[in-house]
Amino acid sequence: GAVVSQHPSRVICKSGTSVKIECRSLDFQATTMFWYRQFPKQSLMLMATSNEGSKATYEQGVEKDKFLINHASLTLSTLTVTSAHPEDSSFYICSARGQGGEKLFFGSGTQLSVL
Amino acid sequence: ELKVEQNPLFLSMQEGKNYTIYCNYSTTSDRLYWYRQDPGKSLESLFVLLSNGAVKQEGRLMASLDTKARLSTLHITAAVHDLSATYFCAAHYNNNDMRFGAGTRLTVKP
Repeated sequence: GAVVSQHPSRVICKSGTSVKIECRSLDFQATTMFWYRQFPKQSLMLMATSNEGSKATYEQGVEKDKFLINHASLTLSTLTVTSAHPEDSSFYICSARGQGGEKLFFGSGTQLSVL
Repeated sequence: ELKVEQNPLFLSMQEGKNYTIYCNYSTTSDRLYWYRQDPGKSLESLFVLLSNGAVKQEGRLMASLDTKARLSTLHITAAVHDLSATYFCAAHYNNNDMRFGAGTRLTVKP
């Protein structure tokens, strides 16, 4: 099946620094990618949807200046958490779908811890 | 408002027993997904249901969809310990929006 690679799997950073998370579709072209956030023992919350070559669509309450999303190619989307704070600590998951595809493939997730 | 309600949220089962997880969604959806998540891991796709009356089975898991009732079920047959995980349903909408249920944390006991 299709594979989505997410990197890094775990990152610890100091408050005020920026962290970039990469999401790559390895064997298909991902026209649409999604970024989610998951708190411990809770469900996934959609943060934003990005289509290749266009600006991401952010969900209500998600700060687009804080969570920068770039989907510059059909195989790569990045999420940058700018000026991270401890409350940004969470599990971030990306997913990707090819054009016309039914299935959504998930990355392995990134555990972000901000000290 | 788009809502996906899943129940139960917690489920403790004995091995060998059967049980059903329910997923209700508030607005017409064009696809219904079921996922499994193990602790600290990402989501594993189990089923995609596209049409009314769709039924899919994989091993001890069977998923069904009733679009008129806006209800999907995940049925577990003769549970085994390896099925212990959190199961999520998610409804997809035409505008690329996707909403997840709260998840059902399943524990299968010997």
